[in-house]
Amino acid sequence: SQQGEEDPQALSIQEGENATMNCSYKTSINNLQWYRQNSGRGLVHLILIRSNEREKHSGRLRVTLDTSKKSSSLLITASRAADTASYFCATDTIPRDDKIIFGKGTRLHILP
Amino acid sequence: SAVISQKPSRDICQRGTSLTIQCQVDSQVTMMFWYRQQPGQSLTLIATANQGSEATYESGFVIDKFPISRPNLTFSTLTVSNMSPEDSSIYLCSVPGRESNTDTQYFGPGTRLTVL
Repeated sequence: SQQGEEDPQALSIQEGENATMNCSYKTSINNLQWYRQNSGRGLVHLILIRSNEREKHSGRLRVTLDTSKKSSSLLITASRAADTASYFCATDTIPRDDKIIFGKGTRLHILP
Repeated sequence: SAVISQKPSRDICQRGTSLTIQCQVDSQVTMMFWYRQQPGQSLTLIATANQGSEATYESGFVIDKFPISRPNLTFSTLTVSNMSPEDSSIYLCSVPGRESNTDTQYFGPGTRLTVL
């Protein structure tokens, strides 16, 4: 079953612009993660934010988490062609059972 | 991070046949996960494979359709049995990351299966 709902489902922006993707989830979590998938290949872990954190940065990535609204956002600044991919949020479960549940994903396309 | 390989990377199979997908990890791990990603969709967990015990299947997935082996701490196989076109998907294995108290996972490159 899907926990997270990303929006938008698809996003096209010009190279150099910022891309923002949002994720909403339904149940309480310990942490939320974002993954990237290029062209239907394996997923790459991007960043993890814990439930007691509100914002986290990693290079050009900025993630926010609002546990009161059960939502998160992923901001990619100064987008590049190589950022073209699908992005998924994933949440753990309480109590922890080592499983994560993926959202539906956002397909990001960076236009040259 | 873990390095994970999968074989085959892709295959085209006939309806009614079975395909076994292999997942190899470069380090010993207790848990391995198998996911299905249908075309244009997100990932759905099929089962958790623990070495030395039976795999634990998620709702909607059964052992007869997706038998799993876990002979050692670095290897697992997933078989897609009696395939139909609806089984056309990318199948991915993953293993837990090492950051404590998180459920970060490292993924293999996936096996793209097309059933005719």
